[in-house]
Amino acid sequence: NAGVMQNPRHLVRRRGQEARLRCSPMKGHSHVYWYRQLPEEGLKFMVYLQKENIIDESGMPKERFSAEFPKEGPSILRIQQVVRGDSAAYFCASSPGLNSGANVLTFGAGSRLTVL
Amino acid sequence: DAKTTQPTSMDCAEGRAANLPCNHSTISGNEYVYWYRQIHSQGPQYIIHGLKNNETNEMASLIITEDRKSSTLILPHATLRDTAVYYCIVMRTNAGKSTFGDGTTLTVKP
Repeated sequence: NAGVMQNPRHLVRRRGQEARLRCSPMKGHSHVYWYRQLPEEGLKFMVYLQKENIIDESGMPKERFSAEFPKEGPSILRIQQVVRGDSAAYFCASSPGLNSGANVLTFGAGSRLTVL
Repeated sequence: DAKTTQPTSMDCAEGRAANLPCNHSTISGNEYVYWYRQIHSQGPQYIIHGLKNNETNEMASLIITEDRKSSTLILPHATLRDTAVYYCIVMRTNAGKSTFGDGTTLTVKP
């Protein structure tokens, strides 16, 4: 039973390029969350998605960042026209849903973006 | 979701119990207490959660005070590999996002 799979694990981009980070949730999980961790800082919530729906994007920067979780395939976090300040570790988490009351997140190993 | 307060850092001797406190004085009746940890730069790892009763699993024990305003995570026999940042989170039932604070950096020393 594979866990949350993120790829690429490491990504290097030059300023102005686009970065696409992918996340495949655990089997049976229908909820996906993206978090960002800047160097030497804590985890910051970005966005929460269900299949084909963005539920909460209150942590997403207003520009250049977008996320999707299509009916088929992984969730994608897309960063357009990257800048050096986007260099960070991006973690994806998944959960089975909210019907059981508690909402335990399973995290992936993260994708580390470096912008040159 | 209720705010949590944790000490910035703690030390623990290898083999001894590590007791990590968390204050959540504004917790509501339908909010769970969750603990996660992040070892170095790895992805965060779920440890344990509880609502009212004390909980125990293979990793740790969670002690929640009767008024639910604070809790303690107990690692019964800390090892060097338990050195990590430990996050205490309070979140209501059926909530979506989890908000991580700064956590407690636990250093287990030989």
